[in-house]
Amino acid sequence: SAVISQKPSRDICQRGTSLTIQCQVDSQVTMMFWYRQQPGQSLTLIATANQGSEATYESGFVIDKFPISRPNLTFSTLTVSNMSPEDSSIYLCSVIARGKNTEAFFGQGTRLTVV
Amino acid sequence: DAKTTQPTSMDCAEGRAANLPCNHSTISGNEYVYWYRQIHSQGPQYIIHGLKNNETNEMASLIITEDRKSSTLILPHATLRDTAVYYCIVRPLGGAQKLVFGQGTRLTINP
Repeated sequence: SAVISQKPSRDICQRGTSLTIQCQVDSQVTMMFWYRQQPGQSLTLIATANQGSEATYESGFVIDKFPISRPNLTFSTLTVSNMSPEDSSIYLCSVIARGKNTEAFFGQGTRLTVV
Repeated sequence: DAKTTQPTSMDCAEGRAANLPCNHSTISGNEYVYWYRQIHSQGPQYIIHGLKNNETNEMASLIITEDRKSSTLILPHATLRDTAVYYCIVRPLGGAQKLVFGQGTRLTINP
């Protein structure tokens, strides 16, 4: 299995500011994804983080609001820009491990509260 | 959009078998049925997946109907720690490999 470390685990931020969330995996992975989980809701895919190129965003999510980096096969960041209270959610990193493309692993998430 | 339909919530007595249904009537020939669960305040956890044959592992059994339009996840001896939201997802093995989550079933195991 892949062990995923997300930082920070939680944060409280002022509206209008930005927060960068880090996702570090203990092994090289083929795919990395970022999800959002709003309070009481299911998970919604934000984007696929592509190594060495621009992320692939899902409908309703744009790069200006959620810039993503993936400089190598074990690390990615998601930035939540110009935050508003509506951005208060849990943000989760997910990976598909190399050679184990049958299952995805998830980090514990970053609980973000915007005030 | 999610391609599965699940009951919103279910209850089960501790020690009994928990049977969680899922409808996926528009499933394609190359799509697998995956089950994940999310225990409160944790990230989702993989349980099991299958294509058309029934599958069993140390956590659960997966029963897929012959026409593949529905499936049932079985937790044979439910414990209080199995209380979670259970997600049924259809997904091709290759390609983009992304998981699209529906609303899931909130399973409560009662003592």
